[in-house]
Amino acid sequence: GIQVEQSPPDLILQEGANSTLRCNFSDSVNNLQWFHQNPWGQLINLFYIPSGTKQNGRLSATTVATERYSLLYISSSQTTDSGVYFCAVGAADSWGKLQFGAGTQVVVTP
Amino acid sequence: KAGVTQTPRYLIKTRGQQVTLSCSPISGHRSVSWYQQTPGQGLQFLFEYFSETQRNKGNFPGRFSGRQFSNSRSEMNVSTLELGDSALYLCASSFETGQSSGNTIYFGEGSWLTVV
Repeated sequence: GIQVEQSPPDLILQEGANSTLRCNFSDSVNNLQWFHQNPWGQLINLFYIPSGTKQNGRLSATTVATERYSLLYISSSQTTDSGVYFCAVGAADSWGKLQFGAGTQVVVTP
Repeated sequence: KAGVTQTPRYLIKTRGQQVTLSCSPISGHRSVSWYQQTPGQGLQFLFEYFSETQRNKGNFPGRFSGRQFSNSRSEMNVSTLELGDSALYLCASSFETGQSSGNTIYFGEGSWLTVV
């Protein structure tokens, strides 16, 4: 199956700082999504981004499909950005079957 | 529009018992998938249903089963519970037509299962 590696595993930020999270995947994918898991366990979808660049407020993401990696940028971080960020990938013929990375634990301190 | 709804949210079961978890997808979504999350194994795919048919199954023993109803609601069942089944079980839905790509996957809040 597809291997998904996320880095760094942990990140401590001061409020207001910027950061970049990386996701490498081992094979071509048609489906790549970024999620944020809040402290209560819910996974919130941030981006569907199998290729290209998207922005949503302070968050943006870029996927370079030919080089098999994706980046999630957090700018001007806030304490509410704390949580675990997951990258998940899948193939077009099995849309709901996602392979998740191990996640990046982000802690934003005041 | 209501999100993905999972019930029950929290439950405690004894080893050897069975459990049924329920998931109501977002209205209009026909694809429902289930995941297990544990501290040791992370997020692992259990199964995926589309229009009442199981389309994919993850690498879990036969004690784990599921089904989808005609209204797209889904249930998963775990029989003969083991301590290692303690986990957060997450359901997700998407508006997939089966022909196109580009659909965001939405997760419910999960069901926290503790096996004692």
